[in-house]
Amino acid sequence: QVQLQESGPGLAKPSGTLSLTCVVSDVSISSNNWWSWVRQPPGKGLEWIGEIYHEGSTVYNPSLRSRVSISVDTSKNQFSLKLSSVTAADTAVYYCARLVGQKFDSWGQGILVTVSS
Amino acid sequence: DIQMTQSPSSLSASVGDSVTFTCRASQSIGSFLNWYQQIPGKAPKLLIYYATSSLEGGVPSRFSGSRSGTDFTLTISSLQPEDFATYYCQQSYSTPYTFGQGTKLEIK
Repeated sequence: QVQLQESGPGLAKPSGTLSLTCVVSDVSISSNNWWSWVRQPPGKGLEWIGEIYHEGSTVYNPSLRSRVSISVDTSKNQFSLKLSSVTAADTAVYYCARLVGQKFDSWGQGILVTVSS
Repeated sequence: DIQMTQSPSSLSASVGDSVTFTCRASQSIGSFLNWYQQIPGKAPKLLIYYATSSLEGGVPSRFSGSRSGTDFTLTISSLQPEDFATYYCQQSYSTPYTFGQGTKLEIK
């Protein structure tokens, strides 16, 4: 059973950059899966941010594309999210998840990131 | 983007009841529709994938899904106390993957 664990600062400053990492355990990140980021503002629904394949191919949500970058480090079995020019609207719980067979079958526990000065 | 519309937004029911949630896609998505359960403070959990399939050993048989065109339903038969949560549908037909706004199932 794959395990995912998000980590990073729980606070980001307005106009700054939010940076998170997801460590994958018990399965190689180089396996035939896509690795995604999904976020959930407090009390609201889920929004897919983007995904990456182990060789570096990425797909981003057009609504965030200009501000998002997802990268992968196969040597550390992890992938990362950077979201720039953040505002209070980016305050959310950020989840990393595995997409296999067109379904998100495994999720991290989530990390709350608050955008505030 | 493909819009996913869930109804109702909330539902009250009692232990032992059977309930049905609906999710409608704004365009054809085939059967690329997944259902997730989310308990407050927890990550979503996959219940049903490809509209009608469930993970072996991980999801009770009281959860089932169906499809009629662009309309999808999740049925929970004989509600258990642990089933009171929020349920989301999600299309994986094309990116950006999109979720419905959720249906909150509450205890009556």
